[in-house]
Amino acid sequence: EAGVAQSPRYKIIEKRQSVAFWCNPISGHATLYWYQQILGQGPKLLIQFQNNGVVDDSQLPKDRFSAERLKGVDSTLKIQPAKLEDSAVYLCASSLAATSPYGYTFGSGTRLTVV
Amino acid sequence: AQTVTQSQPEMSVQEAETVTLSCTYDTSENNYYLFWYKQPPSRQMILVIRQEAYKQQNATENRFSVNFQKAAKSFSLKISDSQLGDTAMYFCAFLQGGSEKLVFGKGTKLTVNP
Repeated sequence: EAGVAQSPRYKIIEKRQSVAFWCNPISGHATLYWYQQILGQGPKLLIQFQNNGVVDDSQLPKDRFSAERLKGVDSTLKIQPAKLEDSAVYLCASSLAATSPYGYTFGSGTRLTVV
Repeated sequence: AQTVTQSQPEMSVQEAETVTLSCTYDTSENNYYLFWYKQPPSRQMILVIRQEAYKQQNATENRFSVNFQKAAKSFSLKISDSQLGDTAMYFCAFLQGGSEKLVFGKGTKLTVNP
């Protein structure tokens, strides 16, 4: 089966600019996650979708970050305006169900550098 | 809140030897799952092995095995016959049964030397 697709692979922007990341999960996976991985740390959950509804966005900095999942399939994560501390890898993951004991399938991530 | 601790920021091993990565976690629940993920330079998180807390038998996947000590809340990963391709970041992760959030440790950078 095809994996989780993410684009772009890399992005460099200046602070205060905006940026968007795209994710296409595995077909049939109802649950989609966005994680932020700062260099030297483990991934941290930003937002979780169940189909096209938000389940958990408690760690999402809502003053600058937004995310949507259109028709319960693809998802977009946006940052506006970006800050230097947003430099990180943004990982998208999907799973059949939120409590899947098989873990999640991750994409290759987008490395964002804010200068 | 559940926490996952990996106390070894970096480790190295010679090719063909065995290495063990440590992980401890904190929870008051009985129903949960534990995972080890590998993240090579390509950045994709790859599931290496998983363990259900209700199972006493340690999980094994080819050269990878775990030592699951439920009472001690310890979940170490043993890699036997290390290969150069095992060089990567390794993350221990915890998923509460009925929860929806996979919690990661900070990772251990493993280098396999020729």
